[in-house]
Amino acid sequence: NAGVTQTPKFQVLKTGQSMTLQCAQDMNHNSMYWYRQDPGMGLRLIYYSASEGTTDKGEVPNGYNVSRLNKREFSLRLESAAPSQTSVYFCAITGGYWQPQHFGDGTRLSIL
Amino acid sequence: AQSVTQLDSQVPVFEEAPVELRCNYSSSVSVYLFWYVQYPNQGLQLLLKYLSGSTLVKGINGFEAEFNKSQTSFHLRKPSVHISDTAEYFCAVYTGGGNKLTFGTGTQLKVEL
Repeated sequence: NAGVTQTPKFQVLKTGQSMTLQCAQDMNHNSMYWYRQDPGMGLRLIYYSASEGTTDKGEVPNGYNVSRLNKREFSLRLESAAPSQTSVYFCAITGGYWQPQHFGDGTRLSIL
Repeated sequence: AQSVTQLDSQVPVFEEAPVELRCNYSSSVSVYLFWYVQYPNQGLQLLLKYLSGSTLVKGINGFEAEFNKSQTSFHLRKPSVHISDTAEYFCAVYTGGGNKLTFGTGTQLKVEL
């Protein structure tokens, strides 16, 4: 999935630890998104950023914070990780309203 | 608010057989619909999209979908599947002001020899 880079690809944390997931894009798109994917639940929106300097809550924002550092980068932070946050996290971007979203390869996060 | 329902969580099919993956949406206004495919340990890849115009939409890898407004459906079809089509497929629709996608729960397509 050229254009959207997520780091790290895998991570194991202990309950209560903090970590930041990074997302960077090279497509010069305005909008960036963070989703989590859980079995049988599809993708659920955590936070999104319609443009540089703005962020908004999605469907499941509790326990997460985000930063739109600049136009290229959008990070997701877990301040105090909980086992319920074990999931696969995807970053996505889009060039405008109603347009398809382009996804990164995901970060697989396990919290023990 | 718009929502998406994928009725089948798993669809097994033999290679070279036709397949249909079902998607229904709820909306009272114009809709913008998408199908994505996810191969194991990868991100989502766009298969096809309906924004406006012809109700029959052709995508990559021989897939097509038909937008049916009266049935509020956007079913995905392929006349002859291949082993390499084994993947999870997601239907999605834009909600709100056109900047938030709502995804269905996914359909796992398993192609067998």
